[in-house]
Amino acid sequence: GAVVSQHPSWVICKSGTSVKIECRSLDFQATTMFWYRQFPKQSLMLMATSNEGSKATYEQGVEKDKFLINHASLTLSTLTVTSAHPEDSSFYICSATRDSFSTDTQYFGPGTRLTVL
Amino acid sequence: GENVEQHPSTLSVQEGDSAVIKCTYSDSASNYFPWYKQELGKRPQLIIDIRSNVGEKKDQRIAVTLNKTAKHFSLHITETQPEDSAVYFCAATTGDSGYALNFGKGTSLLVTP
Repeated sequence: GAVVSQHPSWVICKSGTSVKIECRSLDFQATTMFWYRQFPKQSLMLMATSNEGSKATYEQGVEKDKFLINHASLTLSTLTVTSAHPEDSSFYICSATRDSFSTDTQYFGPGTRLTVL
Repeated sequence: GENVEQHPSTLSVQEGDSAVIKCTYSDSASNYFPWYKQELGKRPQLIIDIRSNVGEKKDQRIAVTLNKTAKHFSLHITETQPEDSAVYFCAATTGDSGYALNFGKGTSLLVTP
């Protein structure tokens, strides 16, 4: 159990376009989902925390108008990279927990590799 | 905010030897400390975790120890095998939210036959 999927697994887009990445919990309800960004040979950097039915909480330095997060249901969160630029090229990974009111294991999706030309 | 330091950044051991990776954290409110293994291009996989009310936890060849007073925790892998080669990340919950994670910079472990 506790499977998280992401779609697409990779995407190439032109500079200035927007890209939407989906994160789904397949066999459990995820009250909270997290979005991370990972540059090559670097660690995972938390971008934002997404709670179902409320606005996402963004980490310092992450532009909320550029990285739009929507957590519309208990099994789906989306990250939209708006007006993408080459420096946005990265590996985007989501994770989900089953209980937002206590510390719990985060289950990670397989990641989405974004390349902006 | 929370700062998680991880050492070493690279570690090379011979098959059968033990490997130890150490992390320190700064926020005394952190209460959950997972370790993840990540192979190239793949998702992080949880290998073991420990909560603040426990000092040590073991699962077969993998163990984690936590010293809350000193704010450090360590991963121990015994009888290493080539398939243990990967990048290992420690993490700690951020004190303010209680469940968001801050990750260490990672340790690239290479186990040579």
